[in-house]
Amino acid sequence: SQTIHQWPATLVQPVGSPLSLECTVEGTSNPNLYWYRQAAGRGLQLLFYSVGIGQISSEVPQNLSASRPQDRQFILSSKKLLLSDSGFYLCAWSFESNQPQHFGDGTRLSIL
Amino acid sequence: GQNIDQPTEMTATEGAIVQINCTYQTSGFNGLFWYQQHAGEAPTFLSYNVLDGLEEKGRFSSFLSRSKGYSYLLLKELQMKDSASYLCAVKTNAGKSTFGDGTTLTVKP
Repeated sequence: SQTIHQWPATLVQPVGSPLSLECTVEGTSNPNLYWYRQAAGRGLQLLFYSVGIGQISSEVPQNLSASRPQDRQFILSSKKLLLSDSGFYLCAWSFESNQPQHFGDGTRLSIL
Repeated sequence: GQNIDQPTEMTATEGAIVQINCTYQTSGFNGLFWYQQHAGEAPTFLSYNVLDGLEEKGRFSSFLSRSKGYSYLLLKELQMKDSASYLCAVKTNAGKSTFGDGTTLTVKP
């Protein structure tokens, strides 16, 4: 069976510091991978998605970036965090785009 | 762009039936997902509709009308554990899913 791991669960960072959130998927090959951000009481905002190694599509202009160095590894990064980057970050995978997405446990990021 | 509307909050009684509506406006519609999200947790998949009609899965059913841009999630025999947010997500031919803001359902005894 497939599993998705996302860490850390909680992170507190100062404004201007860098960020690296990692997500890995096990039990499948060439999954579609996604990064979302969720503000309190809101839906999921798609940040990045990837259909293969090195293939990243950015949905929202911001100071975040994503990379997929390996087939089942998806990394969300920032060089300098802003207060507005606070939120609940979720990584997800799917077999194909018309298949349901399966989410990691999320990272709650607080910027001070 | 896409526009997805869901009621913000709903309240229902344990054992009852509740219907959560989702309306959408999009080009290149290619399916609609419903997810359940308990507070502080990640969403989990409930159902997927791509053709018009009703899909039933135990206590949960989901309906789609593509001509009306409308879907609903029907929850029967409500249990306290059904208290959660329910997210409607529309998928387009571009392969991406856009999520609504979710409906927070509170089940009361």
